[in-house]
Parts: sequence; C-alpha cells; structure tokens
Amino acid sequence: GNSVTQMEGPVTLSEEAFLTINCTYTATGYPSLFWYVQYPGEGLQLLLKATKADDKGSNKGFEATYRKETTSFHLEKGSVQVSDSAVYFCALSVYNFNKFYFGSGTKLNVKP
Amino acid sequence: DAGVTQSPTHLIKTRGQQVTLRCSPKSGHDTVSWYQQALGQGPQFIFQYYEEEERQRGNFPDRFSGHQFPNYSSELNVNALLLGDSALYLCASRFPESGEDTQYFGPGTRLTVL
Repeated sequence: GNSVTQMEGPVTLSEEAFLTINCTYTATGYPSLFWYVQYPGEGLQLLLKATKADDKGSNKGFEATYRKETTSFHLEKGSVQVSDSAVYFCALSVYNFNKFYFGSGTKLNVKP
Repeated sequence: DAGVTQSPTHLIKTRGQQVTLRCSPKSGHDTVSWYQQALGQGPQFIFQYYEEEERQRGNFPDRFSGHQFPNYSSELNVNALLLGDSALYLCASRFPESGEDTQYFGPGTRLTVL
C-alpha cells in the first residue's frame, strides 16, 4: 500500500540551527513527493515537491531530495528562523495526483 | 486570484446531528478533494469530486457524502455525527488538465461534536 512515516516531534531548535526532518515512504507505482507546512490556525501550504527520483525540491531555503533507493524525502534547512515554527507534513501521491497520503506531521519550534 | 475558501470556519454540533461544510475551489480548478485532519494527525483522504461525480473515496463510512455543483464548488455532508468526527476538515482543489500536480488547500472548517 501507500504510506508515509515522519519523525515524531516536537523538534525544538535555536534560531540559525540546522534542520532535518526525516520522511520515508512506501508506495505502489512511482510516487510524487511533497512537503506541506501548516501554520497555527491555517490550512496546508505547499512548501516543495519532487516528481521523480533524484529530483531536488527547494523553496524558502528548504530542500528535499527524492531518494528512491532509500525511499526517503528528508526535509532540510541550513539556518532556521523563528518564523519557520509550524507543523510540517510529508506527503505522496500516485496515479495522477488524485489522492494524497500524508504523514502524521512534525511540529517544529524555533526559539530566538 | 481567490484561493480555496471554506465555510463556516468553526462549527459545533451534538452527537446524532447532521452537518454540511462548503468549499469553493481556486479559480479555474475543477477537481475538489476533502480531507479529515484529527488533532495531532495528518490529513486523511475522504473523497474527490470531478465533473459533479465522486471519483475516488478513502476509508470513510457512508455517513460521509458529498456533492459538487456545476460551478465546481462542493459540499461535504456528515450524518449521525459521532464524537470521533471532531476534526479539521480541509478542502483542496486542482486542475488536472493543466498538468500541474499540486493541490491547493483551504483554511479548513473546525468541527466540534459534543
């Protein structure tokens, strides 16, 4: 079947620290992979995506590389800011992107 | 360009009641999906509507039903509410024919069942 597993949070970092949030997946077929971010009281916003193996998605200093050999799509940022505090969701979609499977989310707290 | 909008923002119901949630997709989008996000969890796919028909469905009981209108807006109906139906309900839209693979989410409706 299709599923996404994320590292459990919360993750607490100081400003300017390096961030890694792990995400692994199982999928039937060839999935596209996504990271979404959810700020308090809001819906989900697309952060970045990758549609095939070895693709790197990037946005706002965040990066993630689609690793087919390890079925992973880890999210990284070199220097986090307080404004990055949010919940991050890894997701996959197969077969024409009609259905998305989400991980359980990882809450990030960045302290000044 | 208006994004995905949902109404109402919050809703409180009691067990056994019925509820209707509404979604207007992003301009130009014709496909609407609904998700349930329980507290502390990731969104779970309920179903998707395209051309006014349910195209795909997740593992939700028949108490959950929907509708899509000719203007592509959509409703989610939940009958015989249970306490466990308390969640954030998210609507997402996309335009498959554009080739774009991204879903755009609305802010959600927070449903509380007492």
